[in-house]
Amino acid sequence: DGGITQSPKYLFRKEGQNVTLSCEQNLNHDAMYWYRQDPGQGLRLIYYSQIVNDFQKGDIAEGYSVSREKKESFPLTVTSAQKNPTAFYLCASSKTGGMDGYTFGSGTRLTVV
Amino acid sequence: DQQVKQNSPSLSVQEGRISILNCDYTNSMFDYFLWYKKYPAEGPTFLISISSIKDKNEDGRFTVFLNKSAKHLSLHIVPSQPGDSAVYFCAAETGGTSYGKLTFGQGTILTVHP
Repeated sequence: DGGITQSPKYLFRKEGQNVTLSCEQNLNHDAMYWYRQDPGQGLRLIYYSQIVNDFQKGDIAEGYSVSREKKESFPLTVTSAQKNPTAFYLCASSKTGGMDGYTFGSGTRLTVV
Repeated sequence: DQQVKQNSPSLSVQEGRISILNCDYTNSMFDYFLWYKKYPAEGPTFLISISSIKDKNEDGRFTVFLNKSAKHLSLHIVPSQPGDSAVYFCAAETGGTSYGKLTFGQGTILTVHP
């Protein structure tokens, strides 16, 4: 079955630590995205990548970094510079932009303790 | 700057009745609109979309209406079922260099009572 796998589902981090969220897709999609969901604020775009070895900042990229070395993988690193990292993180991919609709992963809940 | 707004945080309807979820946008460059459904602790799933050249798109119980002059779209679910209870997000895309980049509304929690 094709899909997007995000791991881990729950993640706890101490303040001051960097943490990397995994996102893997086997849909052969060119584009991949990272969104953050906070209560009452919907989904906000962190980073996106339309092809391998290329990515662009979204609306709230500060404190985050990404890489796109392989078509299937788009990991997100939450750095210690991110002031409020506790949130639900969603990874998505699409074939030809948004018109076909995104396929989302099941999300990672990050909590800073 | 909230370019896509869902002004109703929640909506409650009886099973079998119509659910109408609304979405307003400010960016006239949006040329494609989508609706997603999301259950708690899961990723959203794509429901239905509409191009800006159309004013209606239908898929089974789901119909999306677009009023470009009012910069307003709505999702109609008829008849509503308890399994439709979820958070619904509208989203919009501008195309061009932002091809594939979606802007989401805040979401509306739909509760369908048996």
